[in-house]
Amino acid sequence: DQQVKQNSPSLSVQEGRISILNCDYTNSMFDYFLWYKKYPAEGPTFLISISSIKDKNEDGRFTVFLNKSAKHLSLHIVPSQPGDSAVYFCAAIERLFSSGSARQLTFGSGTQLTVLP
Amino acid sequence: DAMVIQNPRYQVTQFGKPVTLSCSQTLNHNVMYWYQQKSSQAPKLLFHYYDKDFNNEADTPDNFQSRRPNTSFCFLDIRSPGLGDAAMYLCATSRGGSGSYEQYFGPGTRLTVT
Repeated sequence: DQQVKQNSPSLSVQEGRISILNCDYTNSMFDYFLWYKKYPAEGPTFLISISSIKDKNEDGRFTVFLNKSAKHLSLHIVPSQPGDSAVYFCAAIERLFSSGSARQLTFGSGTQLTVLP
Repeated sequence: DAMVIQNPRYQVTQFGKPVTLSCSQTLNHNVMYWYQQKSSQAPKLLFHYYDKDFNNEADTPDNFQSRRPNTSFCFLDIRSPGLGDAAMYLCATSRGGSGSYEQYFGPGTRLTVT
């Protein structure tokens, strides 16, 4: 049972336009969400995050929106650049390990973004 | 630059031959994680260390073991690799403590089993 879903495996956008990547989740206990970007043959790179007490977080060209009632979040990249072409993973955190405050990331399956020049 | 380093980047092993993957970090983070990622799938957590405290995921096969001799290093041992263990193995770290949930990943080790 996938608790974090990225229903679009791929997305193509023209350079300079807005890229919108979507993510849905089913676990209402998730309280922190993250986006990672991954290039081929590299590990995921942390991009931006949002706490469930907020509905928007912005960092430069990247903005994440959270709609808790719909259990939906999205990542907006504007303007999109060819260097943004990568796989984008949505991830969520809920469980608090008994050993401390380390928390497990639950990842979506990723969306391949291609920004066309 | 503070970072997470994984060696080797590519590892080829034979079916049933033990293999060890290594991870080191200069971030001085308390928590180190090992993930397995197969093609077109989400990374799957195998286990993690919070300091010296080991936490195994319930569905991680016994074939996978881990060691953390000190804060900086963490190892993934695959005792008898099968063809199904071919994957990208990702090491990640996080600071631990409340309010710091971001995990920082190394470049990964691509394991091939022949």
